[in-house]
Parts: sequence; C-alpha cells; structure tokens
Amino acid sequence: QKEVEQNSGPLSVPEGAIASLNCTYSDRGSQSFFWYRQYSGKSPELIMFIYSNGDKEDGRFTAQLNKASQYVSLLIRDSQPSDSATYLCAVIPGNQFYFGTGTSLTVIP
Amino acid sequence: DTGVSQNPRHKITKRGQNVTFRCDPISEHNRLYWYRQTLGQGPEFLTYFQNEAQLEKSRLLSDRFSAERPKGSFSTLEIQRTEQGDSAMYLCASNLPHRNTEAFFGQGTRLTVV
Repeated sequence: QKEVEQNSGPLSVPEGAIASLNCTYSDRGSQSFFWYRQYSGKSPELIMFIYSNGDKEDGRFTAQLNKASQYVSLLIRDSQPSDSATYLCAVIPGNQFYFGTGTSLTVIP
Repeated sequence: DTGVSQNPRHKITKRGQNVTFRCDPISEHNRLYWYRQTLGQGPEFLTYFQNEAQLEKSRLLSDRFSAERPKGSFSTLEIQRTEQGDSAMYLCASNLPHRNTEAFFGQGTRLTVV
C-alpha cells in the first residue's frame, strides 16, 4: 500500500467553479500535511499546509483534514485557468515527505 | 534570490557517463532533501541531510548514487555509470529541522540519458 493515494484525474472544472482534490494516507502517526502545485516541467510549489483537524483557509484555497478518516482535501474556489496544474499531496510520517502521484486539474475558460 | 538553487537546470549525458548535480538550500535551512521525479509520478525520496550528516537513504537508491553535504551548506548528488532509467527530474528541497515544517523546492535538474 502506498503511503499517499490520490486520484490521478484528470479533473476538469469550468472557470469560476469549485475544484475538489482528495488525498488519503496510510500512516496514522502522520502529523503534517501539505499541498503542492506543480506546473508542467516545473518544480513543486507549496500552496497550503495543515496540521490540525478541520479546515484551514488561505484566499481561494481551503485545506481540510480528518485524521480519523486519514483524509486530507484541497478546495479551490472560483477556479481560474491559471490553476490548471498537477496538485501533489504530501505527508510527513517520519523525517521525510511522502508524495502522492498528483491530481491533474484543468480549468476550462 | 534566497530560494533553493539547483545547477545545472538540464543535463544530457551518454549512458555510462558520470554526472554531478549541485543544490544550494535556503541559507537558514539545515535540512536538505533529494528527490527524483519521473513523468506522471510524484517526487520519490532519495536521501536527506541534517547539516552535514546524511541521516537517511532510500532503499531504492542504487549504489551508483552518492550524495554529500560536506560543510552543511550546499549538497551534491552524483550518479555513476548512468543508465537510461536514470532519466528524470532531480529535485532538491530544504527546510528547518522542526518536525512539522514545510519544505521548499528548487527548480530541479532534468537529466536525460541517451
């Protein structure tokens, strides 16, 4: 079983809609959870992190964490074409980051 | 530029040659990671350092790979006798040593082995 699982997509949403990205993880001892955005051919860019159960909002982005269900999600409100990218979920169960394979998001103008 | 810096950005090499990549982390970050990423996959952990000490290496890391961080600042990753399967993006990241701190990535070195 992989440490971090994501639906690879592709996920397509119309401009202005809410995009919902999901991630599950296997290690119950994981304490820190991250969402990275990666444009094609570029390196990952940190957009959100969350440590506690519940929601964390930052601009158009909301991260949601449910440790009991081992589930973390990212909501992007008012999606823009510039949000089209691959979104990587990352977890730290020990001393290193484990990444999912990423979900490809396309925002259609 | 105070971000993580990697050089070179691109490297094309013939199979069997050795290559070396360099990573300069954010100056106050004493933890440094190397990851490898192939198309359609997430970054795969290779190794990490805290200061000059290499604390963990992936079991997937072939003995053709070696990494150093001699003075606890920049790091190098060397691949000996390159194979076509080594073609990938090699990413370096750094963060502070506290357990729950996010990591920042460099722009990566894209290696193509022909």
